Amino acid sequence: NAGVTQTPKFRILKIGQSMTLQCTQDMNHNYMYWYRQDPGMGLKLIYYSVGAGITDKGEVPNGYNVSRSTTEDFPLRLELAAPSQTSVYFCASSSNRDNYGYTFGSGTRLTVV
Amino acid sequence: QKEVEQNSGPLSVPEGAIASLNCTYSDRGSQSFFWYRQYSGKSPELIMFIYSNGDKEDGRFTAQLNKASQYVSLLIRDSQPSDSATYLCAVKRNNAGNMLTFGGGTRLMVKP
Repeated sequence: NAGVTQTPKFRILKIGQSMTLQCTQDMNHNYMYWYRQDPGMGLKLIYYSVGAGITDKGEVPNGYNVSRSTTEDFPLRLELAAPSQTSVYFCASSSNRDNYGYTFGSGTRLTVV
Repeated sequence: QKEVEQNSGPLSVPEGAIASLNCTYSDRGSQSFFWYRQYSGKSPELIMFIYSNGDKEDGRFTAQLNKASQYVSLLIRDSQPSDSATYLCAVKRNNAGNMLTFGGGTRLMVKP
């Protein structure tokens, strides 16, 4: 049981480049989330999904896009990378059962130079 | 006012002491409350959740919830250097589906 798997673990992008952060979960969770965490700061929600085919913006969606074609996968797309997008990105998932928190992936450390 | 507030710390305690971490929230209709531990460079991991007023104990950890005062706390007894981490409080608000709102975290340092 792998839980939530994120790839890659590290990436350096040049300004203006694009990339996709991959996230896969094998727990059959309906809910999936993308957060970013800047150094010494809390988690900020970028996008979330309540099920396949349904996505919605979180607190800081600008510069990002997502899709949810299957229950398992929730990729995050960065278009035209900017230095402000340098951060650690966490994908998480949860079931719709009460009192269960999120399961987080191991994170992707992204640097835009 | 932030929806979930925590003192950023660092909170420094000696080894063997009780560490007390506090969290306040603004939505009175919040239902469930979670504590995550995050080691430097790692992802958050769930320690405990609580949804009823009072105390909930799990090993060296005790979560305390007071809905009337809108605060939740985490006590760590017999603190160990391995407890040094950032502790995130998260709240499941009413009418927010399965969404959690996170506080900024409190950094705990346990000194040998």
